[in-house]
Amino acid sequence: EVVLTQSPATLSVSLGESVTLSCRASQSLRANLAWYQHKPGQPPRLLIHGASTRATGIPARFSGSGYGTEFTLTISSLQSEDFAVYYCQQYIDQATFGQGTKVEI
Amino acid sequence: EMQLVQSGPEVKKPGESLKISCQGSGYRFSTYWIAWVRQMPGKGLECMGIIYPDDSDTTYTPSFEGQITMSVDKSINTAYLQWTSLKPSDSGTYYCARPWAAGNSYSAMDLWGQGTTVIISS
Repeated sequence: EVVLTQSPATLSVSLGESVTLSCRASQSLRANLAWYQHKPGQPPRLLIHGASTRATGIPARFSGSGYGTEFTLTISSLQSEDFAVYYCQQYIDQATFGQGTKVEI
Repeated sequence: EMQLVQSGPEVKKPGESLKISCQGSGYRFSTYWIAWVRQMPGKGLECMGIIYPDDSDTTYTPSFEGQITMSVDKSINTAYLQWTSLKPSDSGTYYCARPWAAGNSYSAMDLWGQGTTVIISS
C-alpha cells in the first residue's frame, strides 16, 4: 500500500498569508496525485489533479507542484474561505489519502 | 447539472444490515467509475473500493474486502454500499465520488455525493 505523509498536521496562519503544504509518498507516484479541500459538513472538493493541474473552477491562488515522491500545495494570499483540512490522494496504486493538514486561523 | 445524491442518515444497532445509495444524474452514469470513501469520526478519508456501473466490475481496498459489498443498478443510475452485520466501528460518514474523467478507475475525484452519516449504537 502506498503511504502518504502530510506535514505539518496543523498550520496556524493569518488572512492574506501564503502557505505551503507538503505530501510525501512511500513510493514514486509520477504525477498521480490530487489535492482536496474538506470543510465540516461538506464533501471534499477537488483542487488539483495530475500533481499540478487545477480542477475546473479552482482559483489561481491554489497551485500544486512536485513529481515522484515529493509534492506541495501552495495557497497564496489566504482567504477566509480557505480555512479547512487539506488532503493529498494518490491514484497510481488503487487510492489512498494522506492524514490531512488543518489550516486554521 | 451533474450530481450524486446519497440516501439519508442511518442509525442502526450492531449486527443489523444496511444498504445506502448514491444516485447520479446529469452525466452518463454507466461510463464513470464510482468510488466509496469512508470518514470515521474525527479521522481522515479512506477509499473503500470502486465499481464500474456498466458491467459492475468491482475492486475492493484490501482492508475492506469481505466487510462490505458494492453494487449498482445502472437502469436507475444508482450505486449501493451494503453491510450484512454492522459493527460500532462502521460508524462514520460515507461518500460516493466520481473520477474526473470517464473510464478512469482510480483517479482524482471531482464529483462527490453529499455524504451519508451512519451511526451504529446499541
